[in-house]
Amino acid sequence: QSALTQPASVAGSPGQSITISCTGTGNDVGGFEFVSWYQQHPGKAPKLIIYEVTNRPSGTSNRFSASKSGNTASLTISGLQAEDEADYYCCSTTSISTYVFGTGTKVTVL
Amino acid sequence: QAQLVESGGGLVGPGGSLRLSCGGSGFIFSDYFMHWIRQAPGKGLEWLAYISGSSGDIYIESLKGRFTISRDNNKNSLFLQMNRLTVDDTAVYYCARGRRGSLDVWGQGAMVTVSS
Repeated sequence: QSALTQPASVAGSPGQSITISCTGTGNDVGGFEFVSWYQQHPGKAPKLIIYEVTNRPSGTSNRFSASKSGNTASLTISGLQAEDEADYYCCSTTSISTYVFGTGTKVTVL
Repeated sequence: QAQLVESGGGLVGPGGSLRLSCGGSGFIFSDYFMHWIRQAPGKGLEWLAYISGSSGDIYIESLKGRFTISRDNNKNSLFLQMNRLTVDDTAVYYCARGRRGSLDVWGQGAMVTVSS
């Protein structure tokens, strides 16, 4: 099972919106509604910010939104803030009942 | 509040074995799938395995039977037995709770270093 493909880095200025893509196949992202997104600050454990493609857990800012089209899922951060600078990972269930993470995207706030 | 705490990490020589533990609190442990994920230094996340409340398990194919996930619901504990370790297994190992196809609670991680 190959890792889902994400851009290595995305940058934006405070207040701007950025979007991170996550591309898989019909055997993972495209075949299931179980895509999730995680935020990881340096030296910290990952934190769930989106589950079931579009849903935010309680406590996640509404500046984070997500969607899916075909084999590609996307995470959008609106009103970019300094605290959003972190690594972001997508994750999907697969047709063989495993899970697969994306390659990860480093978000830089300029 | 749900919490997970890993233990058992450390330094081990190539070919050695190590058993990680993960203790859960603040939730009904037996109701949840539990997962292990690792992150090599400077690298991304890699999902390894999960185990259901009734101990059915699934692994990433690349582990090739070297790792075994298990749980003791009476002790609210999750385990990862790692055998025939190589330098490529050096990583921070996280346990996480599964919910609705996602990993909603994570431990702080346990560092495993494989080196001679």
